Amino acid sequence: AQSVTQPDARVTVSEGASLQLRCKYSYSGTPYLFWYVQYPRQGLQLLLKYYSGDPVVQGVNGFEAEFIKSNSSFHLRKASVHWSDSAVYFCAVSANYGSSGNKLIFGIGTLLSVKP
Amino acid sequence: AQTIHQWPVAEIKAVGSPLSLGCTIKGKSSPNLYWYWQATGGTLQQLFYSITVGQVESVVQLNLSASRPKDDQFILSTEKLLLSHSGFYLCAWSLWGSQNTLYFGAGTRLSVL
Repeated sequence: AQSVTQPDARVTVSEGASLQLRCKYSYSGTPYLFWYVQYPRQGLQLLLKYYSGDPVVQGVNGFEAEFIKSNSSFHLRKASVHWSDSAVYFCAVSANYGSSGNKLIFGIGTLLSVKP
Repeated sequence: AQTIHQWPVAEIKAVGSPLSLGCTIKGKSSPNLYWYWQATGGTLQQLFYSITVGQVESVVQLNLSASRPKDDQFILSTEKLLLSHSGFYLCAWSLWGSQNTLYFGAGTRLSVL
């Protein structure tokens, strides 16, 4: 069965520091992988996605993620965080329902707090 | 450009009362539509999906139902709310050939008292 593990429920970093949020997935086929961000009391916004090609994918607001197949990982990185990056970050893997839609399986999320 | 609108923004309802939440997608033809539920501080769980008008598939049983009366509209409802229905409800859409990418609405916060 497909699953996503985000081992860090909460991460705190100082503004300007680098960031890595960890994500490991379990999926028997070729995965579609996503990172979403949720700001307080809002819906989810897509940060980036990977489905093929260059294993390092660039997203919005300076975020990037690297797909490492041998490690089943898709960690999110940012070189220098800003206080406005404080939010909950969800990693997700897509499981197809064959030809009928698709399903995103989410991790539990990582709450990022950026200290000024 | 496509827009997704959810209503209401928030609801406070009594246990045992009925509920209807709505979602409208504009700017996309024949999208796949989804309902997700998020418990407070928790992860997201898919409830329903629909690939066409009149067809809805249930993913988990939570004493809720969904309908798709029009191509651009998705409704989530129940006749009798439970305390466990509290949480954040998110509608999402995707298109064929979009690498399975889902785009979410702003959500509806439901408190059942």
